[in-house]
Amino acid sequence: AQSVTQPDIHITVSEGASLELRCNYSYGATPYLFWYVQSPGQGLQLLLKYFSGDTLVQGIKGFEAEFKRSQSSFNLRKPSVHWSDAAEYFCAVGAERGGSNYKLTFGKGTLLTVNP
Amino acid sequence: DGGITQSPKYLFRKEGQNVTLSCEQNLNHDAMYWYRQDPGQGLRLIYYSQIVNDFQKGDIAEGYSVSREKKESFPLTVTSAQKNPTAFYLCASSIGRGDQFFGPGTRLTVL
Repeated sequence: AQSVTQPDIHITVSEGASLELRCNYSYGATPYLFWYVQSPGQGLQLLLKYFSGDTLVQGIKGFEAEFKRSQSSFNLRKPSVHWSDAAEYFCAVGAERGGSNYKLTFGKGTLLTVNP
Repeated sequence: DGGITQSPKYLFRKEGQNVTLSCEQNLNHDAMYWYRQDPGQGLRLIYYSQIVNDFQKGDIAEGYSVSREKKESFPLTVTSAQKNPTAFYLCASSIGRGDQFFGPGTRLTVL
């Protein structure tokens, strides 16, 4: 069965600083990987995804993530954080369910606080 | 605008009562999902449906039931058998390879 580990429960950065959120996965086949963001009391919004091809993927809001098979990692990065980036971030791995739709397994999330 | 709606946003229930959470989508997606979110626990899959009139249990289906009579609707019933139902419930839908779109959620509190 697949699993996702987000080692950092809470990260605090200053506005304008760079950001890296860690994600490690466990899956027996080629993984399909996602990063979602959630503002308090809201649903989740897809930031970016990796299916195949280029291991560096670009997403919305200036985020990017790099898939490293050798390290089983899919870390999320942003060069300069804005106060509006404060939210909870979830990494997820997708497993094919015998059709075109996937079951997602989520990590427990990383809460990002941005200091002015 | 296409999207997923969940109602109500807040729901209060007395212990021992069944309650149904609504999820509707107008994205023409085939698959729909229900997740439960608890603080510090991430999202856990309750039920999912890939097609009308068919659904499968997820990782934590005990105490929950669903139906999928229409493509656009996937209601979740939290039954009295669910031991700890207070949580934030998220509905999602997808078409194709895992791009799940999420609704705004329903916060259920058992009094």
